[in-house]
Amino acid sequence: GENVEQHPSTLSVQEGDSAVIKCTYSDSASNYFPWYKQELGKGPQLIIDIRSNVGEKKDQRIAVTLNKTAKHFSLHITETQPEDSAVYFCAANGYGQNFVFGPGTRLSVLP
Amino acid sequence: DGGITQSPKYLFRKEGQNVTLSCEQNLNHDAMYWYRQDPGQGLRLIYYSQIVNDFQKGDIAEGYSVSREKKESFPLTVTSAQKNPTAFYLCASSTITGDSNQPQHFGDGTRLSIL
Repeated sequence: GENVEQHPSTLSVQEGDSAVIKCTYSDSASNYFPWYKQELGKGPQLIIDIRSNVGEKKDQRIAVTLNKTAKHFSLHITETQPEDSAVYFCAANGYGQNFVFGPGTRLSVLP
Repeated sequence: DGGITQSPKYLFRKEGQNVTLSCEQNLNHDAMYWYRQDPGQGLRLIYYSQIVNDFQKGDIAEGYSVSREKKESFPLTVTSAQKNPTAFYLCASSTITGDSNQPQHFGDGTRLSIL
């Protein structure tokens, strides 16, 4: 079955700098990769997603890149702000309509 | 507003007691899911349902039970057989469109603790 790894587990950046979180997946049949942001005491919120027919997708300060050959995808946040501080999860579709989630990255944006 | 409502936000269980966590959605989604989240870990799938009156076990179903009598509702019961139930429980839902995956939308969770 699908296995998703995520690095780093924690990341601290200065406000205004960029942050990059990387995920790898094992199942070459996976073709949909969402990213979620989870704030303390809340449920995860979808922030961006990418399908395997594209290599990059952007939404304002957030972008996701996908390398199908290497089976990895990355989240890029530019011009980070304190409100970007949260736990970020990547996911890949597994069997049926289900997803396998990475273990999460705790991002801290320092003012 | 459309969304997923989980209740209660906090729940305490005594030894030997079954407790039920509520999950309601008004997004008209066909599929619903229950996940368990432990500190510093990702989400692990407990049960999922793609249609009313049908549900499937996920990766960690032992000690849990569910029902899907209505499209909008997918309650989770944590039974006394679950020996380590302390965790944050998340409910999610999604549409089902052919063979292309759709994102899951999450509620704000229920934190279960043992007394």
